[in-house]
Amino acid sequence: QITLKESGPTLVKPTQTLTLTCTFSGFSLSTSGVGVAWIRQPPGKALEFLALIYGNDDKRYSPSLKSRLTITKDTSKNQVVLTMTNMDPVDTATYYCSHDSPGTTGLDYWGQGTLVTVSS
Amino acid sequence: QSVLTQPPSASGTPGQRVTISCSGSSSNIGGNYAYWFQQLPGTAPKLLIYMTNQRPSGVPDRFSGSKSGTSASLAISGLRSEDEADYYCVAWDDSLSAVVFGGGTKLTVL
Repeated sequence: QITLKESGPTLVKPTQTLTLTCTFSGFSLSTSGVGVAWIRQPPGKALEFLALIYGNDDKRYSPSLKSRLTITKDTSKNQVVLTMTNMDPVDTATYYCSHDSPGTTGLDYWGQGTLVTVSS
Repeated sequence: QSVLTQPPSASGTPGQRVTISCSGSSSNIGGNYAYWFQQLPGTAPKLLIYMTNQRPSGVPDRFSGSKSGTSASLAISGLRSEDEADYYCVAWDDSLSAVVFGGGTKLTVL
């Protein structure tokens, strides 16, 4: 059974760096053909892709946010970490992580999401 | 501005068939699979359709997906009140080397 859970601060100040952790179980991120993605959703708005890391450590980023994002994995801890620099109030959103089976079932399992508010 | 274009809203009465469109380009929908997600209020998105027209186990066969050229569609037949939700289309974009989402369609069951 695949499960994912996001964790991190609920409130960050403008200009600060956000660090979110996705802790998962039920699969290994040490094999190719599996990935973990981060997606966010501002209140009342659409879903937005942020970043994706595969088991072979290949990484993909949203072109519009690439300069601010870093995604890494810790295979031994079954965790994927996303950092986003220079946070702004417009970055207030629910942040989700998701298991990815590229080319097949895609983003098939999602965490519950964590709401991050950016405010001074 | 989303890369994939969906109508912001759709509606139907119980028992009706409703179709939601998703327009893209040759670099995403045109050359790759389309995926559809259902998001109920206050919950995480749920995979509804994968590989353009496949349903995960547990998803009723009232839901179906298709694609023609650079557009994909989600059809819901026998509409039920519990289908009232936001629906998103998703695809891989070869030019952007990234996942792209539609802007979402809010389905109302009248």
